[in-house]
Amino acid sequence: NAGVMQNPRHLVRRRGQEARLRCSPMKGHSHVYWYRQLPEEGLKFMVYLQKENIIDESGMPKERFSAEFPKEGPSILRIQQVVRGDSAAYFCASSGGGSSYNEQFFGPGTRLTVL
Amino acid sequence: GNSVTQMEGPVTLSEEAFLTINCTYTATGYPSLFWYVQYPGEGLQLLLKATKADDKGSNKGFEATYRKETTSFHLEKGSVQVSDSAVYFCALYSSGAGSYQLTFGKGTKLSVIP
Repeated sequence: NAGVMQNPRHLVRRRGQEARLRCSPMKGHSHVYWYRQLPEEGLKFMVYLQKENIIDESGMPKERFSAEFPKEGPSILRIQQVVRGDSAAYFCASSGGGSSYNEQFFGPGTRLTVL
Repeated sequence: GNSVTQMEGPVTLSEEAFLTINCTYTATGYPSLFWYVQYPGEGLQLLLKATKADDKGSNKGFEATYRKETTSFHLEKGSVQVSDSAVYFCALYSSGAGSYQLTFGKGTKLSVIP
């Protein structure tokens, strides 16, 4: 049973370019969460999505960042016009959802480097 | 808001030494508490959890007890191994106000030397 998959594992972009990070949740999971880990820091919540809906984006920067989870295909975290401060590890997690807590399973992360 | 504070690292121990990593939290309501482990270059793996006061989570020789009176969830292991070298994150989940996010501490890097 495949776990949470993320690609690419490593991504290098120059300032001003766009970064697209993909996340395929575990089979049977319809809830996706994105977290960002800055160097020497813990993970910070960014956004929580269900299929075709953004449920909580309270951790997303107001500009340049967007996320989607379409009916078909992976969830995408998109960063436009990247800056050096966007360099971080971006982790996706998925869960079965529901009104109470369901364990979040994490992917291996995408490590973004902005030159 | 919710927050998690864990002891600063890095922590270096000899093999078979006793490990304690302190974690305290601030949260509304009745949070669930977790310890995650991150090995180099990998994602986070759930190590153990506790969902209510006085619960003890345990896995792979690690233990942590949910102490509501001291708002703590300290991680302990009686005898560490080299393979335990990793970064350990304390986290909480509280579903108040419709939020489903995990709140993490900054992580404690553990190095175990032979």
